[in-house]
Amino acid sequence: DSGVTQTPKHLITATGQRVTLRCSPRSGDLSVYWYQQSLDQGLQFLIQYYNGEERAKGNILERFSAQQFPDLHSELNLSSLELGDSALYFCASSVRQDPSYNSPLHFGNGTRLTVT
Amino acid sequence: LAKTTQPISMDSYEGQEVNITCSHNNIATNDYITWYQQFPSQGPRFIIQGYKTKVTNEVASLFIPADRKSSTLSLPRVSLSDTAVYYCLVGDLMKGGFKTIFGAGTRLFVKA
Repeated sequence: DSGVTQTPKHLITATGQRVTLRCSPRSGDLSVYWYQQSLDQGLQFLIQYYNGEERAKGNILERFSAQQFPDLHSELNLSSLELGDSALYFCASSVRQDPSYNSPLHFGNGTRLTVT
Repeated sequence: LAKTTQPISMDSYEGQEVNITCSHNNIATNDYITWYQQFPSQGPRFIIQGYKTKVTNEVASLFIPADRKSSTLSLPRVSLSDTAVYYCLVGDLMKGGFKTIFGAGTRLFVKA
């Protein structure tokens, strides 16, 4: 158990809808990262937050947004959903601002989003 | 950007030692090299991390040459349960933040 909790585990919705994915980082971790993994694809970095502030952006679509709350949990909002958004969405956390030595990424088990 | 290159896939047999090499020619001075393991439908799991020379833990060894432009993950005596995707990750420092880039990974298939 990595200590990172993601809810829900599964989500099925229709095109055009909006969903919110939730992540609770490991106790003591200040950084939260979001990744997208489509079927048989690698992990695509979306966005990182550190102690409530956005720190880095990757290949995140404008239809997607995220935030980190004062209690350090994070939410990823996906809107105007398309079929191609179907994927596993992983959250990871780390102690420091960057996943440096002795501060690796710890991943949750993901939310599987299916858009029909 | 510190881009990584790994073999797409590898096959092995139970009990063999497996070495997976990752190239990272543009690694920055402050970057560490980290390897992760991912089973289907699970989040990646940290395996080992290093900066230079050799690091060993209860799971694997990591060999990093002096120029740090590559690294090799060594899995001793693999078993069927080691079948997974292995990612080499090199930290990429960006202005105002830290961007973590995973490569395509190496799909290891261990046969009986």
